[in-house]
Amino acid sequence: GALVYQYPRRTICKSGTSMRMECQAVGFQATSVAWYRQSPQKTFELIALSTVNSAIKYEQNFTQEKFPISHPNLSFSSMTVLNAYLEDRGLYLCGARDPGGDTGQLYFGEGSKLTVL
Amino acid sequence: GDQVEQSPSALSLHEGTSSALRCNFTTTTRSVQWFRQNSRGSLINLFYLASGTKENGRLKSAFDSKELYSTLHIRDAQLEDSGTYFCAARGSALGRLHFGAGTQLIVIP
Repeated sequence: GALVYQYPRRTICKSGTSMRMECQAVGFQATSVAWYRQSPQKTFELIALSTVNSAIKYEQNFTQEKFPISHPNLSFSSMTVLNAYLEDRGLYLCGARDPGGDTGQLYFGEGSKLTVL
Repeated sequence: GDQVEQSPSALSLHEGTSSALRCNFTTTTRSVQWFRQNSRGSLINLFYLASGTKENGRLKSAFDSKELYSTLHIRDAQLEDSGTYFCAARGSALGRLHFGAGTQLIVIP
């Protein structure tokens, strides 16, 4: 079956430092990866959509300069939170789409929880 | 405004009882996913529906794209069903999901 591994599971970083998280698709080809952030209030925000061989599309309020994303192949994607501050804390989730399965279905990793001191 | 209205926001069930969660959509959506988020934050896929109904064990979900709603029925609730349930409607772009606000379910012995 389709699985998505995400790591690290949690990071505590000092204000102004950076955190990199990685997402690995197993059992399918992740042509598209969506990065989300779940706030402490539990709401989800889409950060960006990444499709292999296409430009990464960032949502309003999120930029490549702050959240650079790499999606070099069909099984791996990474995102960095640069210069993290208190407002960046939350659970970051990658969702990968399996084009061979149900169109549009996303499989999510276990999330990377960011705590900023 | 919010595209997905999920209810109830919280629910307590005694073991062995049943209930249903509901999501109403304010705009047309092609598909819906249901997830359970466990205490560690993992989003566990429950269902993906483009139409009709699906059943898996004690869980059953339905999606009516014309009437713009989806439901998740939990039958014979067990302690391990506790968690936060989210519905998510597919947006205009593949990979874009509009999440409901979640239903926090507590199953009581």
